[in-house]
Amino acid sequence: QSALTQPASVSGSPGQSITISCTGTNSDVGSYNLVSWYQQHPGKAPKLMIYEDSKRPSGVSNRFSGSKSGNTASLTISGLQAEDEADYYCCSYAGTSHWMFGGGTKLTVL
Amino acid sequence: QITLKESGPTLVKPTQTLTLTCTFSGFSLSSTGVGVGWIRQPPGKALEWLALIYWNDDKRYSPSLKSRLTITKDTSKNQVVLTLTNMDPVDTATYYCAHSISWNSQFDPWGQGTLVTVSS
Repeated sequence: QSALTQPASVSGSPGQSITISCTGTNSDVGSYNLVSWYQQHPGKAPKLMIYEDSKRPSGVSNRFSGSKSGNTASLTISGLQAEDEADYYCCSYAGTSHWMFGGGTKLTVL
Repeated sequence: QITLKESGPTLVKPTQTLTLTCTFSGFSLSSTGVGVGWIRQPPGKALEWLALIYWNDDKRYSPSLKSRLTITKDTSKNQVVLTLTNMDPVDTATYYCAHSISWNSQFDPWGQGTLVTVSS
């Protein structure tokens, strides 16, 4: 099975908003409200930013939000800050007892 | 506070079996719903989910690696062990373990990861 599809890179200026998409199929993203998003800074472990499509863990800035439409989930970061520059990965439960990650998106803050 | 830490060899030879241990604290793997998963990341590449074990010993494996993977737990030691047989250079990666709070849920938090290189 192929990984979920994410854009390789996105960029934005401080203060702007950006959206990262994550496209799957009706067997994974489209079938379950179980998409999560992870932020990974270079050399660091991934950190959970969004779970169950749109829920935000305690301690995560409300500048991060998640949504989903059909087979595509999205992560939006508003009020972009330099510290948001990182790699972002989506993940979805894919049924048949396994999970899939996206290919990752490198966010550059200009 | 939940913490996890991976341990194991940093270098393995092709065809050998890799054994990694995840030692955790702050939760019990005997609590209903709780699980521990393994995810890896080749250098410069994306994350790949490998396996997950639940409190009731229910085990899940990546379909593409199922024949090579085994995941077990030792609840008394707060450890989860992952074995991957017949290692190949393409298995070179940072291997992470992560906590899962309930059935089919997200992974949070993650361990720091351990880099395993496969080379003769």
